[in-house]
Amino acid sequence: DIQMTQSPPSLSASLGETVSIECRASEDIYSNLAWYQQKSGKSPQLLIYYASSLQDGVPSRFSGSGSGTQYSLKISGMQPEDEGVYYCLQGSKYPYTFGAGTKLELK
Amino acid sequence: EVQLVESGGGLVQPGRSMKLSCAASGFTFSNYGMAWVRQAPKKGLEWVAYISYDGGSTYYRDPVKGRFTISRDNAKSTLYLQMDSLRSEDTATYYCTTEATRGWYFDFWGPGTMVTVSS
Repeated sequence: DIQMTQSPPSLSASLGETVSIECRASEDIYSNLAWYQQKSGKSPQLLIYYASSLQDGVPSRFSGSGSGTQYSLKISGMQPEDEGVYYCLQGSKYPYTFGAGTKLELK
Repeated sequence: EVQLVESGGGLVQPGRSMKLSCAASGFTFSNYGMAWVRQAPKKGLEWVAYISYDGGSTYYRDPVKGRFTISRDNAKSTLYLQMDSLRSEDTATYYCTTEATRGWYFDFWGPGTMVTVSS
């Protein structure tokens, strides 16, 4: 199985601060990576697909980048509504695998 | 508007069976692959199983292979997950999710149904 190593496990950011979350795959996943946000008690919401494509309706402060085995999610200007847990997901090979998650809080 | 509503969860004893359903509406169900993703209490997300749009292909994570069966009824726009020989580690909220039009990733999710495996 492809292992997804996500970092950091938790993050605290001030209003307006830019934050980055990383995911490293155990092998090349050819940009088959998606990012999800999950707020407390809610279902996950898709943010980014194919590593860098922004899902319809997602604010432009969210962006994704990367290739091969290294990927990142950037939030340019932290907002209160961005608090939650963020997960990466690889869809290059079955079984699809998620990163362990990054808990993002407002400082 | 896309809607996915899971049902069938609850408390079940180890070794017993349970069948989850996911009623879909707001889109042409028969055109899309579907999957189940679960989340143990206070833990991360875990992909469980996938079924192609016509039911012709299915995939499972190793720990559930041979115990879980994903299926669908396109006439009823409903996805199923038959879970047999349940274990305590299967305790989780189970989400139904749709494969996106543009590719492999999942874009719509249901609210989830909780399954608790305990004696």
